[in-house]
Amino acid sequence: GQQVMQIPQYQHVQEGEDFTTYCNSSTTLSNIQWYKQRPGGHPVFLIQLVKSGEVKKQKRLTFQFGEAKKNSSLHITATQTTDVGTYFCAGHGNSKLTFGKGITLSVRP
Amino acid sequence: DADVTQTPRNRITKTGKRIMLECSQTKGHDRMYWYRQDPGLGLRLIYYSFDVKDINKGEISDGYSVSRQAQAKFSLSLESAIPNQTALYFCATSDLRGTTQYFGPGTRLTVL
Repeated sequence: GQQVMQIPQYQHVQEGEDFTTYCNSSTTLSNIQWYKQRPGGHPVFLIQLVKSGEVKKQKRLTFQFGEAKKNSSLHITATQTTDVGTYFCAGHGNSKLTFGKGITLSVRP
Repeated sequence: DADVTQTPRNRITKTGKRIMLECSQTKGHDRMYWYRQDPGLGLRLIYYSFDVKDINKGEISDGYSVSRQAQAKFSLSLESAIPNQTALYFCATSDLRGTTQYFGPGTRLTVL
């Protein structure tokens, strides 16, 4: 079945550093979504990417969908303490949405 | 008011007890989902429903059952709770396209 992988599960950065994480699917996706879960909160939709090679930006966050539509990246420029949380990617394929295990980001002030 | 609500928010119960977690939504979405979240395991799909008469098993449905009482309500039952069902449970909804999912605040369940 469809698998979506996010490695590593944890990353620690110094405030102000850049951060990049990746998401890889075992199958070609129709779209990929990113969600953020703040500590103690619930996952909240951030963005959806549909087209091959698509790049979208939200302030300091940049999301990219791979050319083969099997992987995606999230890049945060100059991390801030408000960026802490767990970031999930979710791949949509075969009418099914599959979540990765997520990466938990901590930011040292 | 929140679009997706879950009750209770926290529950402590004993092994063997029957538990029901409830989810209500005001988004008008047809699709509803139940997930559990465990540390290091991410979000795992338990059951999902595409409309009132549709129920589908997810990847970890054993030990759980669901009921879709109305478009707006989707409840999850643990017939006989066991300690390894201790987890954070989320309900989610999506529209007919089934893309973006909207999560409720979660129910933290502890089975002693």
